[in-house]
Amino acid sequence: DTGVSQDPRHKITKRGQNVTFRCDPISEHNRLYWYRQTLGQGPEFLTYFQNEAQLEKSRLLSDRFSAERPKGSFSTLEIQRTEQGDSAMYLCASSSVLAEQYFGPGTRLTVT
Amino acid sequence: AQSVSQHNHHVILSEAASLELGCNYSYGGTVNLFWYVQYPGQHLQLLLKYFSGDPLVKGIKGFEAEFIKSKFSFNLRKPSVQWSDTAEYFCAVNVNQAGTALIFGKGTTLSVSS
Repeated sequence: DTGVSQDPRHKITKRGQNVTFRCDPISEHNRLYWYRQTLGQGPEFLTYFQNEAQLEKSRLLSDRFSAERPKGSFSTLEIQRTEQGDSAMYLCASSSVLAEQYFGPGTRLTVT
Repeated sequence: AQSVSQHNHHVILSEAASLELGCNYSYGGTVNLFWYVQYPGQHLQLLLKYFSGDPLVKGIKGFEAEFIKSKFSFNLRKPSVQWSDTAEYFCAVNVNQAGTALIFGKGTTLSVSS
């Protein structure tokens, strides 16, 4: 049973640099979600896809953030011109339609 | 905007004590409700879910939760906690249908002493 995987697990970057994270969902799941979690808070929704279509984006997803799922399998989340406020855990989840979401281990981003 | 409130930030119990963690949501329509758990060093795992039907749902590891629609609540319970239940617990909801964005509470840290 392969769950949701994310890469890298940790990323340290300097302010102003671009970063990209990857998420591989559970293979039979057609929905993929991105969340962000900061210390002491629950995960906050960023965006989700059904297959390759991006169906919803949160207002948290500023212009510096972009997500793709080009072939309806893995997804990437890119943050351009990183800021210290972007430091957080970025979580990916997947699900079948109308079902519960399964989460990956997350990518911890530290912006120095 | 929809929101989820978890009443307790940090709960400390001794082994064998009973547990109840509160969760309230703000949305008047159809909801799907979840409790997730995050053990130290591990990722979020689904503990239990409610979509419809019997408002008392049972999850893994002896946990259960009761959906009370009139109170907009979905409290988590366990009759006798173990040291291994030490973790962070998150209540979450999505509205209208499952498979959409989850709205999470801020979480409750449970510490169980042996």
